[in-house]
Amino acid sequence: GNSVTQMEGPVTLSEEAFLTINCTYTATGYPSLFWYVQYPGEGLQLLLKATKADDKGSNKGFEATYRKETTSFHLEKGSVQVSDSAVYFCALAYGQNFVFGPGTRLSVLP
Amino acid sequence: NAGVTQTPKFRVLKTGQSMTLLCAQDMNHEYMYWYRQDPGMGLRLIHYSVGEGTTAKGEVPDGYNVSRLKKQNFLLGLESAAPSQTSVYFCASSFSGDADTQYFGPGTRLTVL
Repeated sequence: GNSVTQMEGPVTLSEEAFLTINCTYTATGYPSLFWYVQYPGEGLQLLLKATKADDKGSNKGFEATYRKETTSFHLEKGSVQVSDSAVYFCALAYGQNFVFGPGTRLSVLP
Repeated sequence: NAGVTQTPKFRVLKTGQSMTLLCAQDMNHEYMYWYRQDPGMGLRLIHYSVGEGTTAKGEVPDGYNVSRLKKQNFLLGLESAAPSQTSVYFCASSFSGDADTQYFGPGTRLTVL
């Protein structure tokens, strides 16, 4: 079946540090891939997505590239801010099958 | 636009009680979803709907029922609540399925004693 694996958290960084959150997936066929972010006390909101191999999604300084050969969709940001503190979810969608990873909590210290 | 709203925000039930969670969206989306979020497990899909009058089972449907009588509303029912249903429930909607962005409500925190 389809599945998503994310790096274990929590991740704690200092402001302006480089961020990488790893995400790998298992899927039959070619799914669409997403990163969602959840700020404290709120629902999830889309951060970025990619729908086919080699696509790069980007938003608010975050980037992720759909790598079919390594079945990965790692999230990166060059310089994190305190306001980026949140839980980040990697997810895939294939047909009517929607799978979310367990989430990675990021804390950014000033 | 309010987006996706959920009612209630918090609820405490005793084992065996029933309740209905209401989700409403004002974006004219065809697809609607109910998820539960448990620590360390991400979101798991309970039921979803691809249009008014339709429903389908997701990954964890047991113990829940749903209805989509109106396009803008998606109801999640618990007929006989169990402690294992203690969770945070999120509703979401999207214009279409698969690659389309899902828009989430703020969540309902349910505790079953």
